[in-house]
Amino acid sequence: ETGVTQSPTHLIKTRGQQVTLRCSSQSGHNTVSWYQQALGQGPQFIFQYYREEENGRGNFPPRFSGLQFPNYSSELNVNALELDDSALYLCASSLSRQVSNYGYTFGSGTRLTVV
Amino acid sequence: DAKTTQPPSMDCAEGRAANLPCNHSTISGNEYVYWYRQIHSQGPQYIIHGLKNNETNEMASLIITEDRKSSTLILPHATLRDTAVYYCIVSGLSYNTDKLIFGTGTRLQVFP
Repeated sequence: ETGVTQSPTHLIKTRGQQVTLRCSSQSGHNTVSWYQQALGQGPQFIFQYYREEENGRGNFPPRFSGLQFPNYSSELNVNALELDDSALYLCASSLSRQVSNYGYTFGSGTRLTVV
Repeated sequence: DAKTTQPPSMDCAEGRAANLPCNHSTISGNEYVYWYRQIHSQGPQYIIHGLKNNETNEMASLIITEDRKSSTLILPHATLRDTAVYYCIVSGLSYNTDKLIFGTGTRLQVFP
């Protein structure tokens, strides 16, 4: 079985620009979550998608948006980038929305730097 | 906010058991205790989870106190590759969304 893959691994953007990050879920996983991890901090929940619908959102502004596709791959879009958006963005997939039944499988993340 | 409290750092000699404590005094009856670890420059890796009984798998053991207000993750024979940040997370059964709320974790340094 393949794990969770994210692309690109590193990215540099200018303040005000838009960015799209991509995630390919582990085979058979229908739920994907996105997390933002600032340097020295634990990951912070952005939102979760289940079967192409947003299924919960953390404390992030609307300029953070996402998509999940029929093959369960996913995108995270961030508009009007700010310097504080510089972070490691992690994608995690699971077999179920109920993570208590199954653990999450995380990708290695995309390191976004906003200058 | 994270519902757990962990020491910021711990050291352990290679080959010895690493015991990582976690306090979760406000845990409610339907919430599980999860442990993940994050090795530098990688995504978090699931280790183990439990509700109220002790659990063991090929990676670790999880000991949960009877009142469920604290737990300990045990790595029985720590190796240098176990050097990582370990996160203790409490998360509940939810029909809609089970999200993991990470704290700052415990940085475990295994030394030769």
